[in-house]
Amino acid sequence: SAVISQKPSRDICQRGTSLTIQCQVDSQVTMMFWYRQQPGQSLTLIATANQGSEATYESGFVIDKFPISRPNLTFSTLTVSNMSPEDSSIYLCSVRGQKNIQYFGAGTRLSVL
Amino acid sequence: QQQVKQSPQSLIVQKGGISIINCAYENTAFDYFPWYQQFPGKGPALLIAIRPDVSEKKEGRFTISFNKSAKQFSLHIMDSQPGDSATYFCAASKAAGNKLTFGGGTRVLVKP
Repeated sequence: SAVISQKPSRDICQRGTSLTIQCQVDSQVTMMFWYRQQPGQSLTLIATANQGSEATYESGFVIDKFPISRPNLTFSTLTVSNMSPEDSSIYLCSVRGQKNIQYFGAGTRLSVL
Repeated sequence: QQQVKQSPQSLIVQKGGISIINCAYENTAFDYFPWYQQFPGKGPALLIAIRPDVSEKKEGRFTISFNKSAKQFSLHIMDSQPGDSATYFCAASKAAGNKLTFGGGTRVLVKP
């Protein structure tokens, strides 16, 4: 299995600011994913991040709002830019591990005031 | 467009009973159907998964039934235990390891 560490685990931010979420994996992985989960809701894919290429964003998500970095095979960051209360959510990092199983981190719980 | 529809939204079952959660999908390109279990404050964890060339898969107390012609699949939790109380998500992707489309989730409560 893959062990995923996300930082921070939670944060409270002011409107208009930006937050960068880090995702660290204990093994090298080719595919990483960022999902959003609003409290009590399902998961929605934001983007797929492969090392060495630009992230691929899903409909409704744009790079200016959610820039992603993938500098190596064990690390990625997601930035939530110019935040508004509507961005309050749980942000989850996921990786494709052995046997093509997707593993998830515990998530970053973000509240925007 | 919700590509994976899940029901019910919530479920209460007595200890020892059977929990049944149903999902339906629209995209016939989906080729991999996992179920994830999520406890409060944790990320989802893979429970069991199936491919459409198999009609049923069983792992311990968890069974997936798959109906390709109806584009439906379901999770059965046999002998439900209080420790099974969690939110369950069905999902689908075009191949194992690719991006997942999740159902809406089912909150299961097992009463002792």
